[in-house]
Amino acid sequence: GAVVSQHPSWVICKSGTSVKIECRSLDFQATTMFWYRQFPKQSLMLMATSNEGSKATYEQGVEKDKFLINHASLTLSTLTVTSAHPEDSSFYICSATPGPSYEQYFGPGTRLTVT
Amino acid sequence: DQQVKQNSPSLSVQEGRISILNCDYTNSMFDYFLWYKKYPAEGPTFLISISSIKDKNEDGRFTVFLNKSAKHLSLHIVPSQPGDSAVYFCAATDGGATNKLIFGTGTLLAVQP
Repeated sequence: GAVVSQHPSWVICKSGTSVKIECRSLDFQATTMFWYRQFPKQSLMLMATSNEGSKATYEQGVEKDKFLINHASLTLSTLTVTSAHPEDSSFYICSATPGPSYEQYFGPGTRLTVT
Repeated sequence: DQQVKQNSPSLSVQEGRISILNCDYTNSMFDYFLWYKKYPAEGPTFLISISSIKDKNEDGRFTVFLNKSAKHLSLHIVPSQPGDSAVYFCAATDGGATNKLIFGTGTLLAVQP
């Protein structure tokens, strides 16, 4: 149980275009979903927290107009990287919690490369 | 400000021996701690957790110890297996409204056959 999927697993896009990443909880309803970013050999950096039906809460330093998060249902959250630039190239990971739990279940991640 | 620190970027142990991974934190409001295992290009996998009201939690080969006065926790893996080779992250939360986790920088464990 507690499976989280992400799509796509990797994507290459040109500078200036937008990319959408989907995060789905497959076997549970996720009241809260989180989006992280990981640079090579570094820790997971929390970007934002999203609750179904409400606006995402962004961490300090994360541009909310650049990283658009939508949590449309209890099983789906999307992250859209708008007007992507090479410095946005990274590994993006989502996680979800099945209710009031500290344990987060992570998706497999999405490798974004902006050329 | 790194609230959760893993001071050893890497650790190498022999198969069958004990692996001890350490984690220190600075925020005394943290009340729940978790360990995750991560392979390259994959999402982290939950291993084991501990509440601040306990000092030890055991699950099979994995045991987590918490020393609140020292703001230190450790993960013991006994016996270590080659398949345990991965990056291990500790994480902490103070609960709050969102239960967000603060991750350490990770320790790369290599278990030598």
